[in-house]
Amino acid sequence: NAGVTQTPKFQVLKTGQSMTLQCAQDMNHNSMYWYRQDPGMGLRLIYYSASEGTTDKGEVPNGYNVSRLNKREFSLRLESAAPSQTSVYFCASSEAPITTGGEQYFGPGTRLTVT
Amino acid sequence: SQQGEEDPQALSIQEGENATMNCSYKTSINNLQWYRQNSGRGLVHLILIRSNEREKHSGRLRVTLDTSKKSSSLLITASRAADTASYFCAAYTGGFKTIFGAGTRLFVKA
Repeated sequence: NAGVTQTPKFQVLKTGQSMTLQCAQDMNHNSMYWYRQDPGMGLRLIYYSASEGTTDKGEVPNGYNVSRLNKREFSLRLESAAPSQTSVYFCASSEAPITTGGEQYFGPGTRLTVT
Repeated sequence: SQQGEEDPQALSIQEGENATMNCSYKTSINNLQWYRQNSGRGLVHLILIRSNEREKHSGRLRVTLDTSKKSSSLLITASRAADTASYFCAAYTGGFKTIFGAGTRLFVKA
């Protein structure tokens, strides 16, 4: 039982390049999330998926797209990376629906630098 | 700002001492959670307290919630070097909104 896994762990992009961050969970959770963590700030929700086949915008969705490929996998795509997207990205999942505000399980994070 | 706020930003104590961290938030909440983050790792859930609860315990952790003051505190008793980490409060306000604070960095000296 690996919990929530993310790939890659580190990535450096040039401005304008694209990439996809991968996330998978093996806990059979319905809800999945993408957050970004910036120095001196709390985690901010980018997108979430309440169930397979659905995705919705969070607080800071601009510049990102997501795909809920199946119940296990939730990917985050940067179509044209910008320096402002330099951050640490966390994927999370929860057993309870997002609307209950329950415990979330986090992956180890992807540290992305855009130059 | 809609962010929760932790106080202090950083805390350094000796092993065996108690550590207290505070969290304030701006809007009404349904519940409040505390998470721990070790350096370079993801967040790990510690405890959840609902808006109708005032105090909750889990092992060496004690959490209090004062909804009238819109604040919560996390007490770690008899701290150990392994407690060295960042601690975040997360206030669930409804819908999809869980607002995370910027965290308190705790350093426990052996």
